[in-house]
Amino acid sequence: SQQGEEDPQALSIQEGENATMNCSYKTSINNLQWYRQNSGRGLVHLILIRSNEREKHSGRLRVTLDTSKKSSSLLITASRAADTASYFCATDAGLLAGGTSYGKLTFGQGTILTVHP
Amino acid sequence: DTAVSQTPKYLVTQMGNDKSIKCEQNLGHDTMYWYKQDSKKFLKIMFSYNNKELIINETVPNRFSPKSPDKAHLNLHINSLELGDSAVYFCASSPAKIGTGMDQPQHFGDGTRLSIL
Repeated sequence: SQQGEEDPQALSIQEGENATMNCSYKTSINNLQWYRQNSGRGLVHLILIRSNEREKHSGRLRVTLDTSKKSSSLLITASRAADTASYFCATDAGLLAGGTSYGKLTFGQGTILTVHP
Repeated sequence: DTAVSQTPKYLVTQMGNDKSIKCEQNLGHDTMYWYKQDSKKFLKIMFSYNNKELIINETVPNRFSPKSPDKAHLNLHINSLELGDSAVYFCASSPAKIGTGMDQPQHFGDGTRLSIL
């Protein structure tokens, strides 16, 4: 079953504005990851946040995680036209024998972000 | 220098045929994955191999058979192709391995777009 649900499904903003995307999930997780997918390309990893972390930054990206609400948000500040892409959250909730998770990611359906120049 | 490469990029074939998709990674990673992305961009894991050993096998028709000749390669063979197999198939790899931290990002290829006529 689908673990991550993203909101909004589509977001259209002007260059320079901030973009916020939200992700909710259903079960306990080891970590949550955000990926970007440009049209016709593969997914590119953006940020990984562990279940014991609350916030992480990477350049213009800021990710928060609230495990009590089972939700995460991705903020892109000062957006650029090149940020136009689909953004996916993915949860790693699997735990195999021996306590090892081999990165079984469950993806949301993504948010399509369009940044107008 | 492509890190995760898939061939072919496009595959157009008729129902009932058998086809293979190849994947190679030059990142030295131990773990590789196959994902299927449908027309609504929903991405779902199919298989994962760690050092040539199958570790994740989701509910996938047995017409799909992964093969890992070595840890740098994970190929996907599909028998008796059906219309519903039309999708984009992504290969990915990660440094996840037994006994170490599993909080690892995944690196994706650019996908193979499979169209069944």
